[in-house]
Amino acid sequence: DTGVSQDPRHKITKRGQNVTFRCDPISEHNRLYWYRQTLGQGPEFLTYFQNEAQLEKSRLLSDRFSAERPKGSFSTLEIQRTEQGDSAMYLCASSLPGLAGGETQYFGPGTRLLVL
Amino acid sequence: AQSVTQLGSHVSVSEGALVLLRCNYSSSVPPYLFWYVQYPNQGLQLLLKYTTGATLVKGINGFEAEFKKSETSFHLTKPSAHMSDAAEYFCAVIRGGEKLTFGTGTRLTIIP
Repeated sequence: DTGVSQDPRHKITKRGQNVTFRCDPISEHNRLYWYRQTLGQGPEFLTYFQNEAQLEKSRLLSDRFSAERPKGSFSTLEIQRTEQGDSAMYLCASSLPGLAGGETQYFGPGTRLLVL
Repeated sequence: AQSVTQLGSHVSVSEGALVLLRCNYSSSVPPYLFWYVQYPNQGLQLLLKYTTGATLVKGINGFEAEFKKSETSFHLTKPSAHMSDAAEYFCAVIRGGEKLTFGTGTRLTIIP
């Protein structure tokens, strides 16, 4: 168990550019989540996958955002035509659901995005 | 909609003093409740969680929380604060579904 990893840890981009973030979950975890955290706030849910299927998307996930998990392992989150309001910490988490529910989500270190 | 409220965005306690961070949830059905800690520029680490069973939950680093259905609360406590406890603490809930809904966080400062 090497934990959830995210790459890059930091990204600075200019408004209008596209960016892509990667998340590698804990190897046996079949659920993967993306959250966004702005300064001084708690994380907000964006989307989640069970294996390769994207099961839920938040209304926060505008059409400029797209997430994939093609082989049910790592996931990518792409933001097209970035805006200054996209500046935030993007957190990935993974979990292994059990029968009882309420499974623990394990978080990665996050990718901090700054849009200039 | 399921939500949590954390009272006090900033809490300061002296080293060795009791830590009490407050969390109330809104729900007509007991939810799954979590406390996470976040150190600067890092992800979130689970401190403890309540799913079912014993209402007093013990977590890592000496923290514990008590689920009180009558008060819809899940306050986090630690008997004696340590300098290393300085961090941001988030209460979160799952009710139905799978996604976590977080409170706005409480920044804990430890005074030497």
